[in-house]
Amino acid sequence: DQQVKQNSPSLSVQEGRISILNCDYTNSMFDYFLWYKKYPAEGPTFLISISSIKDKNEDGRFTVFLNKSAKHLSLHIVPSQPGDSAVYFCAARLHTGRRALTFGSGTRLQVQP
Amino acid sequence: EAGVAQSPRYKIIEKRQSVAFWCNPISGHATLYWYQQILGQGPKLLIQFQNNGVVDDSQLPKDRFSAERLKGVDSTLKIQPAKLEDSAVYLCASSRSWGGDEQFFGPGTRLTVL
Repeated sequence: DQQVKQNSPSLSVQEGRISILNCDYTNSMFDYFLWYKKYPAEGPTFLISISSIKDKNEDGRFTVFLNKSAKHLSLHIVPSQPGDSAVYFCAARLHTGRRALTFGSGTRLQVQP
Repeated sequence: EAGVAQSPRYKIIEKRQSVAFWCNPISGHATLYWYQQILGQGPKLLIQFQNNGVVDDSQLPKDRFSAERLKGVDSTLKIQPAKLEDSAVYLCASSRSWGGDEQFFGPGTRLTVL
């Protein structure tokens, strides 16, 4: 039972353009959402997060949007840079009880110079 | 600040053999997690420690997997005996407290079971 889904396994964009990575979830008890970035042979690194009480959070070139009614979130990267090429994981945390993260399967972003 | 350390980085074993992984979290982080990441999937939690106590091990295959965190610092994860489907990257992460928003991950141990 995949509670967090990233339906696009890969995405390719041109340098300078916008990258949009999508994530859907099924469990309405999730109250906190995070995006992690992973380079080969390294562990995931935290990128940006959003609480369920917000619908947008921005940090430099990265913006996360949350649509609770649709159980959908997206990560926007503007402008995209070749160094952004990595696998991006969406993760969610439950409101109560177990506080560990539930991850999606990841989207590989390739930014073409 | 030193990050999460893991060793070994790579391990190849035959099925039915035993293997152990080691993790040293960021200093002062009370919560430690072990995740299993199978190729093409996201990390899946195996076990979560708060200091040296287990918070959640509901997804740990206890017939073959075990983990401990002595003295609330370093942790070891053991598989005995290994199966082919255990081939994965084993990630250790830590956070300041239980429910800490940001988890810091180590580089992982890539296990191949032949």
